[in-house]
Amino acid sequence: SQKIEQNSEALNIQEGKTATLTCNYTNYSPAYLQWYRQDPGRGPVFLLLIRENEKEKRKERLKVTFDTTLKQSLFHITASQPADSATYLCALLGFGNEKLTFGTGTRLTIIP
Amino acid sequence: EPEVTQTPSHQVTQMGQEVILRCVPISNHLYFYWYRQILGQKVEFLVSFYNNEISEKSEIFDDQFSVERPDGSNFTLKIRSTKLEDSAMYFCASSLAGGKNSPLHFGNGTRLTVT
Repeated sequence: SQKIEQNSEALNIQEGKTATLTCNYTNYSPAYLQWYRQDPGRGPVFLLLIRENEKEKRKERLKVTFDTTLKQSLFHITASQPADSATYLCALLGFGNEKLTFGTGTRLTIIP
Repeated sequence: EPEVTQTPSHQVTQMGQEVILRCVPISNHLYFYWYRQILGQKVEFLVSFYNNEISEKSEIFDDQFSVERPDGSNFTLKIRSTKLEDSAMYFCASSLAGGKNSPLHFGNGTRLTVT
């Protein structure tokens, strides 16, 4: 069955360091991968989208990589700040459909 | 910035009752979705809606569920006969051009509690 796994349930990072979150998938051939941020009691908020033929995307302090051979995406936040503390979700979309499937999420805490 | 709005923010209902969850998507968006998140679990796809019809649905979206876009601005999710296991946060989302080319914009959800 299709699985999307994010490296750990919780990750604690010192302020100013780079946080790296991992998304691995199996039995899936995604065409598009998206990363979202979710704060407690709120809906997911879109961060970045990367296509299967793109290796890397950047937006300000955020960087996403997409390796279809390893079936993995890495999400980096550089110069992390306490305000970056949230749950981060990866989500995959296959070709020809609109079913965006979410991973389990990683709860990131940036420690001042 | 335009946003997706959902009402009510919290709905309590008795098992077996019908509920309608309401959403106003972003006005120029063409794709609409419902997702749910049971407490402590992942966000799960329920249904996508485009051009006035369901484009995809998950196995969760059985005959008890239906969606409607009654008036060109609202998008509703109806659960005909609620069960205890329907208790969850329900998120509506909309997208300008579908998830391939544009992000999904989520509302802040309706927390449904079935007693």
